[in-house]
Amino acid sequence: QSALTQPASVSGSPGQSITISCTGTSSDVGGYNYVSWYQQHPGKAPKLMIYDVSNRPSGVSNRFSGSKSGNTASLTISGLQAEDEADYYCSSYTSSSTLLCVFGTGTKVTVL
Amino acid sequence: EVQLVQSGAEVKKPGESLKISCKGSGYSFTSYWIGWVRQMPGKGLEWMGIIYPGDSDTRYSPSFQGQVTISADKSISTAYLQWSSLKASDTAMYYCARQPTVTPLVDVWGKGTTVTVSS
Repeated sequence: QSALTQPASVSGSPGQSITISCTGTSSDVGGYNYVSWYQQHPGKAPKLMIYDVSNRPSGVSNRFSGSKSGNTASLTISGLQAEDEADYYCSSYTSSSTLLCVFGTGTKVTVL
Repeated sequence: EVQLVQSGAEVKKPGESLKISCKGSGYSFTSYWIGWVRQMPGKGLEWMGIIYPGDSDTRYSPSFQGQVTISADKSISTAYLQWSSLKASDTAMYYCARQPTVTPLVDVWGKGTTVTVSS
């Protein structure tokens, strides 16, 4: 099972909106509405930001939103803030692995 | 408070065995899956495997099948990840993660255990 494909880096200025893509196949992203997004700051454990494609856990800012079209899921961060600078990973349910879960390659978000 | 408390950092030599732990508290340990995630230095996250402590149902990523063993002792609400013969390439941070189901939704993460394998 190959990792889902994410851009290596995305950047934006404070206040702007950015979108991170997560491309898979019909066996994972495209086939199920089980895509999660995680934020990871250096030296810290990941944090759940979005689950089941577009649901936000309690306590996560509404500046974070998720969507999906075909085999590609997306995470949008609006009103970019300095604290959003981190690595972001998508993860999807997959029918192609005995483990049933696969991560994306990860995206470094830089706030200019 | 729901939390996963992982064992401390380990420094081992190649060929040695190791078992790291993840203790759950503040919730019904047998009602959630526990996943293990590897992060090699400067690299991304990788699912290794998951276990359901309620019945010990265990699944492995093909990349880790046969390389590690995942287990759980529900009597003490603790999950384990073990190696029988470590390699330098096992040097990484290992996170345990609480999952309500086998979908990739992790609602609680441990702080991680650093494993360093060096001669």
